[in-house]
Amino acid sequence: EAQVTQNPRYLITVTGKKLTVTCSQNMNHEYMSWYRQDPGLGLRQIYYSMNVEVTDKGDVPEGYKVSRKEKRNFPLILESPSPNQTSLYFCASSRQGLDYGYTFGSGTRLTVV
Amino acid sequence: DQQVKQNSPSLSVQEGRISILNCDYTNSMFDYFLWYKKYPAEGPTFLISISSIKDKNEDGRFTVFLNKSAKHLSLHIVPSQPGDSAVYFCAASEEYSGAGSYQLTFGKGTKLSVIP
Repeated sequence: EAQVTQNPRYLITVTGKKLTVTCSQNMNHEYMSWYRQDPGLGLRQIYYSMNVEVTDKGDVPEGYKVSRKEKRNFPLILESPSPNQTSLYFCASSRQGLDYGYTFGSGTRLTVV
Repeated sequence: DQQVKQNSPSLSVQEGRISILNCDYTNSMFDYFLWYKKYPAEGPTFLISISSIKDKNEDGRFTVFLNKSAKHLSLHIVPSQPGDSAVYFCAASEEYSGAGSYQLTFGKGTKLSVIP
């Protein structure tokens, strides 16, 4: 089944403790992206990657890192999480071109206390 | 500054009637538009899209209309069904940007409730 898989689905952590949210897609998509969804703010892009070893900042990159060493994986790294990073995170992927939009993962709900 | 605006946070419609969800944009460089549907505890799913060279795109019960001069697009669902109850996001892209990126800018979403 074609899908984007995020792990974990739920995570509660403490301020300053490094964490990684994994994202993997099995569709051989070139393009991958991370979004966060917050009440009243909709979906905002954190980082995106157009292909292996090519990443760039989205609209809200502060406090996040990403890497794209392989085509299928695009982990989101929070080096020192803070409470304002409590949010619902979505990973997405697409082939080149937007005819079929993005395929999103099921989301990771992160709480930083 | 919000470039994609969905000014109605919520909409209630009777089953069988038409649902019209609206979206406005301010960036004149946007030339590709998409609608996503999101159920609770799931990721958004792609619904329908439209390129700026068209003014209408239809897929079954879903039709998207684009008015470039007004920088406005709308999603029509006819007839509405209870299973259509979800949050709908409008998104826009500068598809042919020089960097070849496919960044999407999303609106805040409209929660549609279809009443049986």
